[in-house]
Amino acid sequence: GDSVTQMEGPVTLSEEAFLTINCTYTATGYPSLFWYVQYPGEGLQLLLKATKADDKGSNKGFEATYRKETTSFHLEKGSVQVSDSAVYFCALKDTNAGKSTFGDGTTLTVKP
Amino acid sequence: NAGVTQTPKFRVLKTGQSMTLLCAQDMNHEYMYWYRQDPGMGLRLIHYSVGEGTTAKGEVPDGYNVSRLKKQNFLLGLESAAPSQTSVYFCASSEGGYTGELFFGEGSRLTVL
Repeated sequence: GDSVTQMEGPVTLSEEAFLTINCTYTATGYPSLFWYVQYPGEGLQLLLKATKADDKGSNKGFEATYRKETTSFHLEKGSVQVSDSAVYFCALKDTNAGKSTFGDGTTLTVKP
Repeated sequence: NAGVTQTPKFRVLKTGQSMTLLCAQDMNHEYMYWYRQDPGMGLRLIHYSVGEGTTAKGEVPDGYNVSRLKKQNFLLGLESAAPSQTSVYFCASSEGGYTGELFFGEGSRLTVL
């Protein structure tokens, strides 16, 4: 079945540091890939997505590129802020009934 | 703009009690989902629905039942609550197909004593 493996956390960075959170996936078809963010006490919300190979999703300074050859969708940001502190989930959505599979989440803490 | 609304937000049950979580969405989405979130385990799909009157089992369906009598509502029931069902439950909805993102509710924290 489908699976998503995320870089283990927690991750602690200083403000303005570079962020990478690794995500790799296994899927039988051609899934869409997503990054969701969850702030404390809230539900998940979409951060960015890519629906086909070589697509780059971007939002709020975050970027991720759909790499079919390496089955990866790594999240990057050039300069993190304290407000980026949250839990980040990588997910895929397959072609079978639109079900989504999530990674375990990576907790990011950014210190001033 | 309400989006996805879950009720109740918090609930404490005793082992063996029953309860229903209600999810309502106002985006006319066909697909609706119930997930549970446990520390270190990400989100696991309990049940989902691809349209009014349909339901299907997800990854961890045992001990739960669901109903989708109206397109905008998706109910999750616990017939006989167990401590292992202590968790945070999230409802989500999406458009059909595999490119649409999920829209989540704020979550319902359930504790079973």
